[in-house]
Amino acid sequence: EAGVTQFPSHSVIEKGQTVTLRCDPISGHDNLYWYRRVMGKEIKFLLHFVKESKQDESGMPNNRFLAERTGGTYSTLKVQPAELEDSGVYFCASSQEAGTYGYTFGSGTRLTVV
Amino acid sequence: AQRVTQPEKLLSVFKGAPVELKCNYSYSGSPELFWYVQYSRQRLQLLLRHISRESIKGFTADLNKGETSFHLKKPFAQEEDSAMYYCALDYNQGGKLIFGQGTELSVKP
Repeated sequence: EAGVTQFPSHSVIEKGQTVTLRCDPISGHDNLYWYRRVMGKEIKFLLHFVKESKQDESGMPNNRFLAERTGGTYSTLKVQPAELEDSGVYFCASSQEAGTYGYTFGSGTRLTVV
Repeated sequence: AQRVTQPEKLLSVFKGAPVELKCNYSYSGSPELFWYVQYSRQRLQLLLRHISRESIKGFTADLNKGETSFHLKKPFAQEEDSAMYYCALDYNQGGKLIFGQGTELSVKP
């Protein structure tokens, strides 16, 4: 079984530019989550998709972040325009059922905004 | 507010010594708690979930509702246990996890 795939693995962009992160969940997993860890802080929830619908986007920091999951398969997270404080590691995870069984995480995308 | 606290940023022990990674949570309902581990250059992976009451790689964790704790324990640490450990709370069974800040475990030979 293929795992959760994220790309790029690293991205370095200048402040003000746009970056799009992609996540391919495990096939058949309806639940897809985005998290991020900024330097020195804990891993924080961004949002949760069930299929193509946003179930919970309470963790999205501001309107510079846009997440999509067209067709309920892969998801993208776009940051536009990027700011210095957006630097961190962005994790994607997927699960068949939400709740008690835990997730499978991707390797993460390390975003550096300079 | 829901919160997970891991008081130790770094825990260093010698091989063969017992290890306990502390986790306390703040939540008024019935929590679902997990331990995740990230080994060097690997992805974050699920180690334990409290509902299953299992032992994985010699680690166990017991939910203590009175003390609101979910400490991770292993009687004899191994060098390969060196990693970053995160305690996490799913407080509404909806899949949204609240993570602690993580504890780096270093097991010395």
